[in-house]
Amino acid sequence: AQSVTQLDSQVPVFEEAPVELRCNYSSSVSVYLFWYVQYPNQGLQLLLKYLSGSTLVKGINGFEAEFNKSQTSFHLRKPSVHISDTAEYFCAVSRYNNNDMRFGAGTRLTVKP
Amino acid sequence: DVKVTQSSRYLVKRTGEKVFLECVQDMDHENMFWYRQDPGLGLRLIYFSYDVKMKEKGDIPEGYSVSREKKERFSLILESASTNQTSMYLCASSLSGSSGSTGELFFGEGSRLTVL
Repeated sequence: AQSVTQLDSQVPVFEEAPVELRCNYSSSVSVYLFWYVQYPNQGLQLLLKYLSGSTLVKGINGFEAEFNKSQTSFHLRKPSVHISDTAEYFCAVSRYNNNDMRFGAGTRLTVKP
Repeated sequence: DVKVTQSSRYLVKRTGEKVFLECVQDMDHENMFWYRQDPGLGLRLIYFSYDVKMKEKGDIPEGYSVSREKKERFSLILESASTNQTSMYLCASSLSGSSGSTGELFFGEGSRLTVL
């Protein structure tokens, strides 16, 4: 089965600084990759997804992620963060034509003024 | 927009009580899921269902059961709640993989259960 590792459990940054949240996956077959965001006391919402094609994927709120097949990574980036980006971020992977999505342990992003 | 509704946002139950968590989705999705979320552990799949009256165990099914009598509704049941089941429970739905779906999940807002 596929699996996901998020390399940082917590990432503190100052407002307007760039940020990268790291995600590595393992799978023996082709996968789809996702980043979800969870604001306090809410469910998860989709930030962006990689299905195929261009390896650079743009999502909502100015986030983007790059799929790197050779390094089995799907890191999330934002060039300048806002206080409102404070949330928990989850990387997830599912296999082609399969209903089984696996999540990483999450990265808590805290943006400080 | 897809809407997944969980009936209770916050519940407090006592050890040994039977607990029902209800989830309803309005987009005619074939698949429905129950996850448990704990700090540092991410989301762990408890059960999922890919059709009415069908269910499959996830990674941590022990102590839980599920019911799917109608396509739009998926219930999680704790037969005898224990303190180690105190957690956030998330329901999600998706289109079937056989229909070309990417597996993208749509989540409810979560039910935070405390077992005393």
